[in-house]
Amino acid sequence: AQKITQTQPGMFVQEKEAVTLDCTYDTSDPSYGLFWYKQPSSGEMIFLIYQGSYDQQNATEGRYSLNFQKARKSANLVISASQLGDSAMYFCAMREGHNQGGKLIFGQGTELSVKP
Amino acid sequence: DVKVTQSSRYLVKRTGEKVFLECVQDMDHENMFWYRQDPGLGLRLIYFSYDVKMKEKGDIPEGYSVSREKKERFSLILESASTNQTSMYLCASRTLQGPLNEQYFGPGTRLTVT
Repeated sequence: AQKITQTQPGMFVQEKEAVTLDCTYDTSDPSYGLFWYKQPSSGEMIFLIYQGSYDQQNATEGRYSLNFQKARKSANLVISASQLGDSAMYFCAMREGHNQGGKLIFGQGTELSVKP
Repeated sequence: DVKVTQSSRYLVKRTGEKVFLECVQDMDHENMFWYRQDPGLGLRLIYFSYDVKMKEKGDIPEGYSVSREKKERFSLILESASTNQTSMYLCASRTLQGPLNEQYFGPGTRLTVT
């Protein structure tokens, strides 16, 4: 069964507008962490933001925030005031607390295009 | 700054060749990982290593092996390359210290097997 699901293969957003990238997850482990990574066309994966399952507040990091809804098992990434440089692939990933070595399980990715 | 480097950005090999992909990290990280990335599938874990000389299979280990003789270096080996191993390969490392323990990625190697 897919543990991380990103249902939007591609999205467009106008420059300076906000955009939400969806991510749902499935785990029976009470302890887990959720990550978002950005992959520009150059290929490197850039860590954006992290949310722990026990964190009381939604994570924020500059223009990035994570809309964490634990009961719905969703961890959507919100990018405010989109910039042309935000055009990239975005991956949601989960690390389950029980697993040794910190393995990440990735979603399929969402390709975001920011229009001028 | 954490730096993870991979030996090649682009590689073209023939079917049946033995292929070595090298990954080096300079931050004394304990854990290292090899993923392959294919469109529509995201990143899938091939192998990972807890520490020197320790390795574990990931989700798709068939056709691959790994070697970690030194802490900073993690090699992925395709014993006999096949066309279905044409893909983007990403290496990552992670420390056990710190609050987030996020993975740091290399720039990737785009491998084509003809």
